[in-house]
Amino acid sequence: GENVEQHPSTLSVQEGDSAVIKCTYSDSASNYFPWYKQELGKRPQLIIDIRSNVGEKKDQRIAVTLNKTAKHFSLHITETQPEDSAVYFCAAPTGGTSYGKLTFGQGTILTVHP
Amino acid sequence: ETGVTQTPRHLVMGMTNKKSLKCEQHLGHNAMYWYKQSAKKPLELMFVYNFKEQTENNSVPSRFSPECPNSSHLFLHLHTLQPEDSALYLCASSQDREIETQYFGPGTRLLVL
Repeated sequence: GENVEQHPSTLSVQEGDSAVIKCTYSDSASNYFPWYKQELGKRPQLIIDIRSNVGEKKDQRIAVTLNKTAKHFSLHITETQPEDSAVYFCAAPTGGTSYGKLTFGQGTILTVHP
Repeated sequence: ETGVTQTPRHLVMGMTNKKSLKCEQHLGHNAMYWYKQSAKKPLELMFVYNFKEQTENNSVPSRFSPECPNSSHLFLHLHTLQPEDSALYLCASSQDREIETQYFGPGTRLLVL
């Protein structure tokens, strides 16, 4: 099955700085990698995802990069704002290809200080 | 925010009680999921239903019993739980099992005394 490792477990940055969270996965057949944001007391919400046919995807201040050779993908947040403070989870499909079962990383607590 | 709803939002139960969690999705999806979220642990998949059929049971103890009467509703029946079952239980849905974007409900915060 899939094994997803996420680092760091906590990340503290100043407002305006960039934040990077990295995940590694074990199943080379995996081809879909979502990132979820969970604010305190709220549900996880998809913020960006990437499929294995591209190496990078951007949406305003957030971007995800994928290195299939090294089996890792990263979330990049630029110009961080206090409202970016949350727990971020990466995930990869268990069972390799497009399949509904996701294995989640352990989560990263991001704190953006004003 | 209202695409996937869960009730109740909070639940306190004794170890001998029987209770049920309810999830409803208004997105026209065909796949539904139950996850357990404990402090300092990653999201743990419990069950997967696709077109009302259970396709995954992730080694969940039998004191948790899922039910999916139709593609819009998912229940989790609880009986003789243990204190370590206290957690946030999240429901999610996706278009179908092959399309991976999952949309989560707000969760039920369960405390077992």
